Amino acid sequence: GDSVTQMEGPVTLSEEAFLTINCTYTATGYPSLFWYVQYPGEGLQLLLKATKADDKGSNKGFEATYRKETTSFHLEKGSVQVSDSAVYFCALSDKGGGNKLTFGTGTQLKVEL
Amino acid sequence: GAGVSQSPRYKVAKRGQDVALRCDPISGHVSLFWYQQALGQGPEFLTYFQNEAQLDKSGLPSDRFFAERPEGSVSTLKIQRTQQEDSAVYLCASSSPDRDEQYFGPGTRLTVT
Repeated sequence: GDSVTQMEGPVTLSEEAFLTINCTYTATGYPSLFWYVQYPGEGLQLLLKATKADDKGSNKGFEATYRKETTSFHLEKGSVQVSDSAVYFCALSDKGGGNKLTFGTGTQLKVEL
Repeated sequence: GAGVSQSPRYKVAKRGQDVALRCDPISGHVSLFWYQQALGQGPEFLTYFQNEAQLDKSGLPSDRFFAERPEGSVSTLKIQRTQQEDSAVYLCASSSPDRDEQYFGPGTRLTVT
């Protein structure tokens, strides 16, 4: 079945540091890939998405590129802020199954001054 | 416009009680999903509706779990004879027919004592 593996947290960075959160996936077919973010006390919010190989999703300074050859969708940001502290979830959608999402276990990011 | 809403936000149930969790999707969204999120884990798919039709219930963990969406809008997830292992956050999400991204509600945190 489909699965998503992402790096374990917590990840602790200083403000303005470079961020990478690794995500790899296993899927039959060609899924869409997503990053969702969960800020403290809030619900899941879509951060960015990519629907086919080599697509790059971007939003709020974050970006991720759909790499079919390495089955990866790593999240990056050039300069993190304290306000980016949250839990980040990588996910894929099974287009043949009504687009239900399969999530990774989440990576907590803490950004300190 | 209004997002996905869920009620109650918090529910404490004694083991063996029945509970009902409500989801109001975004107006016009025909697809509705339920997920279960255990502490420190990513959400896991439970079931999926397209309008009033339940097209996939493969993620429901036991026959104590039942979901319905009789008029193709509001949905209710019912758990009968709750057990401690049912303690989790239950998330509802909806999506529009031509898009694959899902919009999540704030969740209902269920604690079974």
